[in-house]
Amino acid sequence: GAVVSQHPSRVICKSGTSVKIECRSLDFQATTMFWYRQFPKKSLMLMATSNEGSKATYEQGVEKDKFLINHASLTLSTLTVTSAHPEDSSFYICSARDRAGAYEQYFGPGTRLTVT
Amino acid sequence: GQSLEQPSEVTAVEGAIVQINCTYQTSGFYGLSWYQQHDGGAPTFLSYNALDGLEETGRFSSFLSRSDSYGYLLLQELQMKDSASYFCAVIYNFNKFYFGSGTKLNVKP
Repeated sequence: GAVVSQHPSRVICKSGTSVKIECRSLDFQATTMFWYRQFPKKSLMLMATSNEGSKATYEQGVEKDKFLINHASLTLSTLTVTSAHPEDSSFYICSARDRAGAYEQYFGPGTRLTVT
Repeated sequence: GQSLEQPSEVTAVEGAIVQINCTYQTSGFYGLSWYQQHDGGAPTFLSYNALDGLEETGRFSSFLSRSDSYGYLLLQELQMKDSASYFCAVIYNFNKFYFGSGTKLNVKP
């Protein structure tokens, strides 16, 4: 149980285009989903927290107009990187919790974004 | 803000015991958890401590001392498959997570 999927696993896009990454909880309802960014050999940097049906809460330094997050249902959250630049190239990982206050996060497999 | 310190890299041999320490500074502390991440993979949950003491799960144990703002992950009977990065993460203000920079564990035969 507690499986989280991400799609696509890898994407290459041209500078200036937008890319959408989907995160789905497959066998549970995710009250909260998190989006992280991870640089090579570095830690997970929390970008934003999203709750179903409400606006995402962005961490300091993360541009909400650039990284659009939509949590349309209890099983789906999307991250759209708008007007992508090469510096946006990174590993983006989502995670989900199945209830408020739960200490365990279930992580998706991640999406490798390369902007050329 | 939050800060976490853990060693960047640890090397040990198969069958040995290794301890990965984590010290933290945060307000609104709720608990400390540990995740394992293999290269190119997703982090997977290992353990969680909200109260002082040792939590044991098979070969892995995790310890927390809230008064010292310190915890550790103990891996026993090391296996080659344990080679991975290990992250400690604080949960604070009930709903927030902050990850450490990770410790790369190299297990040698």
